[in-house]
Amino acid sequence: SQLAEENLWALSVHEGESVTVNCSYKTSITALQWYRQKSGEGPAQLILIRSNEREKRNGRLRATLDTSSQSSSLSITATRCEDTAVYFCATVDQGGRALIFGTGTTVSVSP
Amino acid sequence: GPKVLQIPSHQIIDMGQMVTLNCDPVSNHLYFYWYKQILGQQMEFLVNFYNGKVMEKSKLFKDQFSVERPDGSYFTLKIQPTALEDSAVYFCASSLGGQDTQYFGPGTRLLVL
Repeated sequence: SQLAEENLWALSVHEGESVTVNCSYKTSITALQWYRQKSGEGPAQLILIRSNEREKRNGRLRATLDTSSQSSSLSITATRCEDTAVYFCATVDQGGRALIFGTGTTVSVSP
Repeated sequence: GPKVLQIPSHQIIDMGQMVTLNCDPVSNHLYFYWYKQILGQQMEFLVNFYNGKVMEKSKLFKDQFSVERPDGSYFTLKIQPTALEDSAVYFCASSLGGQDTQYFGPGTRLLVL
């Protein structure tokens, strides 16, 4: 089955520093999505990167995709306390609609 | 951005009872989803719904589960009867098209005693 997995359970950084979350997946994909989930909220999509793209940016966020190693990364620069959240990568199943989430990496940004 | 609402935010019920979770999707969206997240575990897909019908469902979508959206009102997930293992946070999501961004609600925290 398609499975997306983040490589680390948790990361801690100080405000202003950069942080990178990594993700690996097991089967071919058409796109990979990065989501953020803050405490008490539902996930919110940050970036969608398609299989023919190598990099995608959205403000302070940068996602990369390496289809040969079946891995992706999400980098956040100039982190802020409000970036504290769980970050998930997600792929879609063969039906093209159901999201398959990884277990998530908790990023904690302290002042 | 677009908002998905979920009612109630919390629900505590006794095992064997029926529960209905309500979702108010983004107004012009056509595809609706339910996901389940047990504390500390990854979110898992349950079902998606389009044009009045279930399009896909996972093995987690047991026979005790049902979904409907009568007359364009709330998109509901009904569990009858509930079991202890149904305790989880249930997230609703909606999207305009089947391949479009899914927008999630804040979740309903269900505790089955």
